[in-house]
Amino acid sequence: QKEVEQDPGPLSVPEGAIVSLNCTYSNSAFQYFMWYRQYSRKGPELLMYTYSSGNKEDGRFTAQVDKSSKYISLFIRDSQPSDSATYLCAMSGHNFNKFYFGSGTKLNVKP
Amino acid sequence: DTGVSQDPRHKITKRGQNVTFRCDPISEHNRLYWYRQTLGQGPEFLTYFQNEAQLEKSRLLSDRFSAERPKGSFSTLEIQRTEQGDSAMYLCASSFTSQGQYFGPGTRLTVT
Repeated sequence: QKEVEQDPGPLSVPEGAIVSLNCTYSNSAFQYFMWYRQYSRKGPELLMYTYSSGNKEDGRFTAQVDKSSKYISLFIRDSQPSDSATYLCAMSGHNFNKFYFGSGTKLNVKP
Repeated sequence: DTGVSQDPRHKITKRGQNVTFRCDPISEHNRLYWYRQTLGQGPEFLTYFQNEAQLEKSRLLSDRFSAERPKGSFSTLEIQRTEQGDSAMYLCASSFTSQGQYFGPGTRLTVT
């Protein structure tokens, strides 16, 4: 079993839709949770960074962490064609020595 | 530009050759990570430095891989006797204490 599971998609939505992206994990020691956006043949770009459980909002993006269910989510409001990319979740324990990534969900926002 | 930089951006080599990649992190970042990413997969952790000390290394990393960060600034990743299975994107990331990681553009390696 992989440490982090993420549906690979692809997920196709119309412009303006609310997008929900999710990851599950198995290691209860994970405390730090991140979401990255990656365009084709580019390095991942940090979008959201959260600690422990709860919600965090930044513009059109909201990250949620439910440690009791070992489940994290990223919501994108008013999605735009420029949001079309692969979204990666990542997580780490308290010492940041190692980060575990999901395999990524490919999102396509249609104009 | 004060982001993470990597050099070269692309490398084509023949099987059996040695290759070395360089990463320059964001200047104030004390943590540096190397990852490998293949098509359709997320980044796979290779190794981690805090300042100049290599504190974590993946068990999946064979002895052909070695990394250094001699003065706690830039880092190099060397692959000896390359194999076709080493073809991938090699990513470097840096962070400061408990903040999220910032990635470089990656070095794409093709082993022929």
